[in-house]
Parts: sequence; C-alpha cells; structure tokens
Amino acid sequence: EVKLVESGGGLAQPGGSLRLSCAASGFTFRTFAMTWVRQAPGKGLEWVSVISGSAGSTDYTDSVKGRFTISRDNSKNTLYLQMNSLRAEDTAVYYCAKTPGLVRATLFDYWGQGTLVTVSS
Amino acid sequence: DIQMTQSPSSLSASVGDRVTFTCQASQDISKSLNWYQQKPGKAPKLLIYDASILDTGVPSRFSGSGSGTAFAFTISSLQPEDIATYYCQQYDNPPVTFGGGTKVEIK
Repeated sequence: EVKLVESGGGLAQPGGSLRLSCAASGFTFRTFAMTWVRQAPGKGLEWVSVISGSAGSTDYTDSVKGRFTISRDNSKNTLYLQMNSLRAEDTAVYYCAKTPGLVRATLFDYWGQGTLVTVSS
Repeated sequence: DIQMTQSPSSLSASVGDRVTFTCQASQDISKSLNWYQQKPGKAPKLLIYDASILDTGVPSRFSGSGSGTAFAFTISSLQPEDIATYYCQQYDNPPVTFGGGTKVEIK
C-alpha cells in the first residue's frame, strides 16, 4: 500500500525557515518523480515543486524560486522541502504527492495527508 | 502559464441527479487533463486522467470528456458521498496548473 506521511509544518515568522519532510512507503521510491502541492486556507490547489526520481532535475513555481529547495534521499525514501524567506502568502497546507513518471509532474496518483504551514508574526 | 477556468464554482443538486460541470483551458492541451475530488479536510484524490480514463476503483458514475480547450466532468447519479470540491488539472505544458474548483453540494 502506498503511503506518504508529511511532517515539519508549524508556525514560522515572516523571513523565517521551515523544512518539510515526506516519508514514503509501499513503492520503489527512487523510480518516481515526487512533488509538493499546496493549498492556502479556503483556496484551490497550487503546484509548488517537482524533483525527478534520481534527483537530477528539479523545477519550481515562479513564486518560490530562489526561496524553496526540493530534495530527496532515496536511501531513506524521504522527500524534503526547505522553505526559506517565508512570506505570509506561503501559509497553506503542503501536500507531497507521487507522480507515475520518473521526471515530469503529469498527474498525482497518491497524496499525503498534508502538513499546515502558517507564516505570521 | 496555462489558465484553467472551472464553472460553475459551486452547484447544488439532489441525490440521483445527473450533474455536469466544465473546465476550460486558455490554450489547446489535447487530452492532458486530470480530475481530482477533494472532500473537506482531506487530501485530493485522482478520479480521471487523460480527460476520460477512470482511475482504478473509481465508481463508473463518474466520467470525463473533452479535448483541446473544453472539458466536462459528469456524475451520472449524484450520491451523498460525492459531496466534495472537484478540480481539473492540466499537464500539457509546464508548470502544471489547476482550475479553481467546483464545489458540489446536496440540495
């Protein structure tokens, strides 16, 4: 059974940092691209970032480029999102999601339960 | 970025009704369109991919159609457990983008 469990969310001050983790199980982690998708309170879904199975390629939505870094440790079956220079508009539930491909984000076939990030002073 | 516009933003229907709502892309995306269901407080769930293919285990009352810029999602007989917000998502051109959602409620 595929399982994705996020952790690391919480309250951060504007300009602060947080590191999200997503522990994966039930599939061969290294052979699939992984993504982060976020949802601001009461709003819709927004794709944030993708990393290929080998970690050789990454991509980000424009609003987080230069501030967020996606990474993965295939030996630990874990996906990460390092979030720096946080802004109030980064407040959201962050979901990790698996894609069926090795490199690109096309569709999201499994999702974690989400972790809430709140940026406020 | 490709803009995805869903309409209506919300609808109310009776149990057993046939319900249809739409998703329009700002440019031709062929059939690179997926649909997700999100129940309150839960993560989204993939229902349909490539515009019309039901994911494994998804009830047959759900269906999708369309290509190019115009897509539709249909629930043939609305059930109480279908109360949710439904999102379309394109992957034809990076970055992937989502529609704003259609919230389905029971009348």
